[in-house]
Amino acid sequence: GENVEQHPSTLSVQEGDSAVIKCTYSDSASNYFPWYKQELGKRPQLIIDIRSNVGEKKDQRIAVTLNKTAKHFSLHITETQPEDSAVYFCAASGGATNKLIFGTGTLLAVQP
Amino acid sequence: NAGVTQTPKFQVLKTGQSMTLQCAQDMNHEYMSWYRQDPGMGLRLIHYSVGAGITDQGEVPNGYNVSRSTTEDFPLRLLSAAPSQTSVYFCASSDRWTNSPLHFGNGTRLTVT
Repeated sequence: GENVEQHPSTLSVQEGDSAVIKCTYSDSASNYFPWYKQELGKRPQLIIDIRSNVGEKKDQRIAVTLNKTAKHFSLHITETQPEDSAVYFCAASGGATNKLIFGTGTLLAVQP
Repeated sequence: NAGVTQTPKFQVLKTGQSMTLQCAQDMNHEYMSWYRQDPGMGLRLIHYSVGAGITDQGEVPNGYNVSRSTTEDFPLRLLSAAPSQTSVYFCASSDRWTNSPLHFGNGTRLTVT
C-alpha cells in the first residue's frame, strides 16, 4: 500500500521568511496530493491540493509543487506570519478510492 | 449545514469496556472515514466507506468495527478497549469517493485506563 514520508518533523522560521515542507510517496498510481493545516486542539483543514496532471499550484502565499517522476511533492509558504504556526500534513491517494494516507506531520513555528 | 459532527468530544474508558464513537454528516457525502491521531505518527486510517452498505479496512483496523447503514452515519465501535487505543479520533467525509478533499469533524479524545 501507499506510504508517505514527510520532512522535517519540526521547522522554525522568522516572520517574513519562507518555509518548505517536503513529502515523498511510494505508490506510483497515486494521483491526488492534498495538504492540511491543524492548529492546536483543532481539526485538520485543507489548505491546498494538487492532482497529478498539474506540476504546480499557487494560492496567495501558499504553493505546492509535484514531481511525479521522483514521487515527491512540496509545500511552500512565503512571507510567513505568526498565524501560520501549526502542524502541516501532506497526504496522497490514488486508484479506486479516496483512501488518503497521511505523512507524520511538520510542526511549523513562526517566530515574530 | 453542521458539516461532520462527532460525539462525544471526550471519553474515558476502562480496559475491556466497549463503546461507540458517533459520526454524522449532513452534506450527502458518499465517502466517510475514520482516522486516529497519535503524537509523532500523523493521521492513520482505521476504516472507510464509499457508500451505504460498503466498508473496508484502512491501515490500522484491528480492534475496531464499523458499519454504514445510512449515507449520513458512520459509527466506530471499540469492542474491548485497550490502553493502546488511547488517541484522538477524527471522522472525515468527502463528496466523491476518489480524489476529493476530506472534511473533518472536531474529533473525539479517548483515554483508556
